[in-house]
This record gives sequence, C-alpha cells and structure tokens, in this order.
Amino acid sequence: EDQVTQSPEALRLQEGESSSLNCSYTVSGLRGLFWYRQDPGKGPEFLFTLYSAGEEKEKERLKATLTKKESFLHITAPKPEDSATYLCAVQANSGYALNFGKGTSLLVTP
Amino acid sequence: KAGVTQTPRYLIKTRGQQVTLSCSPISGHRSVSWYQQTPGQGLQFLFEYFSETQRNKGNFPGRFSGRQFSNSRSEMNVSTLELGDSALYLCASSLGQLDNSPLHFGNGTRLTVT
Repeated sequence: EDQVTQSPEALRLQEGESSSLNCSYTVSGLRGLFWYRQDPGKGPEFLFTLYSAGEEKEKERLKATLTKKESFLHITAPKPEDSATYLCAVQANSGYALNFGKGTSLLVTP
Repeated sequence: KAGVTQTPRYLIKTRGQQVTLSCSPISGHRSVSWYQQTPGQGLQFLFEYFSETQRNKGNFPGRFSGRQFSNSRSEMNVSTLELGDSALYLCASSLGQLDNSPLHFGNGTRLTVT
C-alpha cells in the first residue's frame, strides 16, 4: 500500500533561519511527487512536481529534491509569509489519485 | 485565468439529510478530482472524473457519489449525512491528458453536519 510520511509535524523558525522538510514515501511505481502549500481557510496551492530520483526544482526561497525513498523541501532564509502547511503527495503509475501526507505546519517568526 | 471555483463555501446540514457540492474547473481542464480533508485523516481521495467518466474511486461508502457534465463542471453528492462527514471538501482540476499533470485546487466547501 502506498504511504507518505511527513516530518516534522510542526516547525517553528526565526526569519532567515534555513531548514528542510522531509517527505518519506513508499509507492509501487512513482508517476510523480507533488509539493503543495496550504494557507488557513484555503485550498492547497501547487508548488512543484518531481518525477525521478535526482531531480531538483526551485522557486524563490524553496527548493525541492527527490531520491528513491524521500523528498526534501529546503527553505532558504524564510520570511513570515512562508508560514503555511506544506503538503507532499505521491501519484502511483497505477492510478490518478494523489496520496497525501499529513503535512508540516511551518511558522516563521520575525 | 480564473481558478477552480467551489460553491457554496459553507454548509450546515443535519444528520440524515443529503447535500450537493459544485465545482467549476479551470477553463480547458477536463479532469476533476474530489478530496475530503479532516484534521485527523488529512486529505483523502474521493473520486476523479475525465470527460464525464469516473476513472478512479477512493475508499468511501456509496453514500458519496459524483458526476461530471459535458462542460467539465462537476458535482458531488453525499446522502444520509453522518456527523463524521463534517469536513472540508476540496475539488481540483487538471488538464488530464498527461497523467501526472498537477492538480489545481479550489478553496473548498466547509460542510458541518449537526
């Protein structure tokens, strides 16, 4: 059965303090791994798709990387506006559904 | 380009009633998926439609159903509501032609069952 585990559950950073969020997964044939950001009261906002081990993608202060068993979302010099819940999801070759992790709640303080 | 639109934003229903939620996808997107989000379970897949056909279904009871219209708009229906159905229901659309095209979510319908 496909599984996605995100850690930590919650993370508090000071502005400018870089860190990484982890997404460990097991899937029978990875079609894609997705990162989303969700703000309170809103739907998830798409950030990145990664397709194969070794792939990296960047957007502003965020960088996502992928290995065969996990993905990392690196946040460089975060700002308070980066505070949100970050969700990781995998899509298997066998279907169209995304299997989501429970998310990491990030709080960045000034 | 307008995003995914879900109506209504909030609903309060009583146990045993039924409810219909609506979703308008991004223009040009032919795939629509529905997810249930709760604090305990996170996001869980309900079903996915492409060109009016259900391609995928999650592990939810038959009380949960959906459909897609020829203009790609979608509705989901929950009958005989239970307290545990209280959740944020999210609709997402994608191009659907590439199997791994990203999903774009609406802001959801918050359903409260009393």
